[in-house]
Parts: sequence; C-alpha cells; structure tokens
Amino acid sequence: QKEVEQDPGPLSVPEGAIVSLNCTYSNSAFQYFMWYRQYSRKGPELLMYTYSSGNKEDGRFTAQVDKSSKYISLFIRDSQPSDSATYLCAMSYSPGATNKLIFGTGTLLAVQP
Amino acid sequence: GAGVSQTPSNKVTEKGKYVELRCDPISGHTALYWYRQSLGQGPEFLIYFQGTGAADDSGLPNDRFFAVRPEGSVSTLKIQRTERGDSAVYLCASSQKPGPDTQYFGPGTRLTVL
Repeated sequence: QKEVEQDPGPLSVPEGAIVSLNCTYSNSAFQYFMWYRQYSRKGPELLMYTYSSGNKEDGRFTAQVDKSSKYISLFIRDSQPSDSATYLCAMSYSPGATNKLIFGTGTLLAVQP
Repeated sequence: GAGVSQTPSNKVTEKGKYVELRCDPISGHTALYWYRQSLGQGPEFLIYFQGTGAADDSGLPNDRFFAVRPEGSVSTLKIQRTERGDSAVYLCASSQKPGPDTQYFGPGTRLTVL
C-alpha cells in the first residue's frame, strides 16, 4: 500500500463548477500537506500548503486537512479552463534530517469551456 | 526573478551509457532536491542537499545513481550504465531554507533510454 493515495482521474467538469480533489494517507507522522499544480511537460507549481489540521483559503482555492481521518482535500471554486492540469497532493514530516515530499499519483483535471 | 533551471530539457541515450543532468537552483537557495517522475506517477524523492552535503540520499535507487553539489549551488545528477527503466522526468527543486513548504521545482529533464 502506498503512503499517499490519490485517484488519478481523469476528472472532467464544466466551466464554473466546484471541483473537489482528495488524497488519503497512512502515515500519521505527516505534518505538512501541500497541493501542487502541474501543467503538461512542466514542473509542479506550489498552490497551497497547510501545517497540521485545518482549512486554508487563497482566492478560488481552499485546502482542508483532517488528520483524524488522514484525509486532505482541495476545492476549486468557479473553475476555469486554465485550471486544466494535473493536481498533486504532497506530504512531509516535521523539518529535520529530511524534508522530502511524498507525492500522490496526481489527478488529471479537465475544465470544459 | 529566475526560477530553477535544468539542462538539458531532453536527453536520449542508449542502454549502458553514462548521463549527467544539471540543476541550477534559485540564487541564494541553500536546500536542493532531486525527484524522479515516471509516466502517470507523482514525483519520487531521490536526494536532498543542504549546502554542499547530501543530507538524505535514501531515495537513490541503487549505486548507479550519484549526485554532487560541490559549491553549494549547481547540482549534477549522474547515472551510470543507464537502463531502460531509468527513463523518466528528473525534477530538481530548491528552497531558501530547509522545509517542505517552500520547494520550487524546475521544468525537469526528460530522460529516454533506448
């Protein structure tokens, strides 16, 4: 079993829809939770990060972390065709000897105009 | 300012050959990371440098893989005796300070081993 599970999709939604992307994880030691966006043939771009549990909002994006359920979500409001990309969740431990990120497989999102 | 740059953007080589992949981090960033992304998968950690030293190389798959960062800036990932299974996108990331929340990724080097 992978440490981080993410539905690969693809997920297709009409423009203006609310998108919900999710990841589950098994390692309770994870403290940092990130969402990256990756366009085709580009490097991942950091969208949101959250430390421990709670919600964080940035414009049309909201990240939620539920450590008791080992479940994280990213919501995109008023989705746009330019949001079409692969969304990767990533997790890490507290800063220390390693700051490596553990990624999910990514969910491919297509927003139809 | 300039982001993380990686060269070459594409590399095609034959099985058994040696390759070097270069990463130029954002100026002033002390931490540097290498990841490998296979088709349809998320990036997988390879190695983490803090300054010139490898703080964590637990992700390197075997002794054919080696990375250096001699002056604490540019890093080179070296792969000996390449195998077809090494084909992937090799991503480099840097951060100003050690920490998981501030890693900025480069565009990657797409390695194809024939």
